[in-house]
Amino acid sequence: AQTVTQSQPEMSVQEAETVTLSCTYDTSESNYYLFWYKQPPSRQMILVIRQEAYKQQNATENRFSVNFQKAAKSFSLKISDSQLGDTAMYFCAFMKLLDFGNEKLTFGTGTRLTIIP
Amino acid sequence: DSGVTQTPKHLITATGQRVTLRCSPRSGDLSVYWYQQSLDQGLQFLIQYYNGEERAKGNILERFSAQQFPDLHSELNLSSLELGDSALYFCASSVASGRATDTQYFGPGTRLTVL
Repeated sequence: AQTVTQSQPEMSVQEAETVTLSCTYDTSESNYYLFWYKQPPSRQMILVIRQEAYKQQNATENRFSVNFQKAAKSFSLKISDSQLGDTAMYFCAFMKLLDFGNEKLTFGTGTRLTIIP
Repeated sequence: DSGVTQTPKHLITATGQRVTLRCSPRSGDLSVYWYQQSLDQGLQFLIQYYNGEERAKGNILERFSAQQFPDLHSELNLSSLELGDSALYFCASSVASGRATDTQYFGPGTRLTVL
């Protein structure tokens, strides 16, 4: 079974600064996806970024980028030029690839990020 | 807006009762997933349906059941409700299984409160 660990329950950073959220995972699979989802106070789960394990290049989406270290089983999220709207709970999630009928997401416990004005 | 809809947004009921949560996936998505988010258990996968058939089961109680209809909408039925069933229930959908675009998009959730 896969496990996802987010070791930082809470973080805070000043607006416009850069912050990195950590995630590690444990799996024996070689093909999988990793995701970061954001849950703002509205409680909606919003996809932030996705990484395919077979891709060496780190994914980026505007101000959001990841540092994917497959050998270390590490998947951190970097938020640049942080904005007040980035205040949210961030969840790291794992999904096996090409496992028809078992595409469930396994989530970490989340990191509560607060952007300070 | 993810394109996944869930109704109702909020539900307050008493212990022992039965409720039904409804989900409509994004247009074109064949897979529907149900997740439960509670304070003590975090985000837990409950069950997956693909094109009307059950595909995977997670930590779903026997008091809970689900189905996916021919129009692909899904319902999660929770019966003999207990206080501990109070949680946020999410539905997510994706296009299909085992393909590169299989990102799951979440609905806004249904907040269930059992009194």
